[in-house]
Amino acid sequence: DAGITQSPRHKVTETGTPVTLRCHQTENHRYMYWYRQDPGHGLRLIHYSYGVKDTDKGEVSDGYSVSRSKTEDFLLTLESATSSQTSVYFCAIRRDNTNYGYTFGSGTRLTVV
Amino acid sequence: DAKTTQPPSMDCAEGRAANLPCNHSTISGNEYVYWYRQIHSQGPQYIIHGLKNNETNEMASLIITEDRKSSTLILPHATLRDTAVYYCIVRVDNNAGNMLTFGGGTRLMVKP
Repeated sequence: DAGITQSPRHKVTETGTPVTLRCHQTENHRYMYWYRQDPGHGLRLIHYSYGVKDTDKGEVSDGYSVSRSKTEDFLLTLESATSSQTSVYFCAIRRDNTNYGYTFGSGTRLTVV
Repeated sequence: DAKTTQPPSMDCAEGRAANLPCNHSTISGNEYVYWYRQIHSQGPQYIIHGLKNNETNEMASLIITEDRKSSTLILPHATLRDTAVYYCIVRVDNNAGNMLTFGGGTRLMVKP
C-alpha cells in the first residue's frame, strides 16, 4: 500500500518466545514509526526511527526493541512476548518534504497465547 | 502538541453531509490541524490538514474557526464506505520527525 508493507500480516506465538515484525518501504523515506492499537487505547507510538541506526522511544516502548540497519527496513522485536503484547501493530512512514504524508501499513495482528 | 477533544460517536444518513467537530483550544500558532480516518482493520488514512485557512480536497473540507480553537471536518455526501473512526490531530509541522499522537477519535456510522 503506497510503498509500505508489513510482514507477517498475522502471527500467533507463545508467551516467552521472541517475535520480530518487519516494516518495509520502497521509497527511502527517513522517518518510520511503529504503533500498536488496542481497544480503548487507540494508536500508541512504540518506537520511531529518523534514519539508519537512529531510533528513539515512544509512549509504550517497554518490552520492545527496534532496529534500522538500512533505510527501507524497520524491525520491531518483542524479546520475550507476553499476553499484554497481543495487539495490532501498524508501521508508518513519513514522506519526506511534505507536511502531511504519513502513510500507514496494513497492520500485523499478533496474538500471544 | 495540543490535545484535541472529539465526540466519541456520531451517526449520519447516507447522502447527507457529515460534520465532525474537534476542539483544540490550546493549539499554538505553529500547529496544524490534521484529520485521519481508520476504516475497520485498516491503517489510518490521511484526509486533510490546515493551518488557519479553510481547506478542501477531493475527500473532504476542513473549516477552522478564526481563533483556531476548533475545527470541523465535512464529508459533503457521506456514503456507507465513510463509516470509520475519524481522528483530529494537531501538531507542529517540521522536519524533526514529530510523530502523530492519536486520541480516541469519533466513530462515524453512516446509515442507509
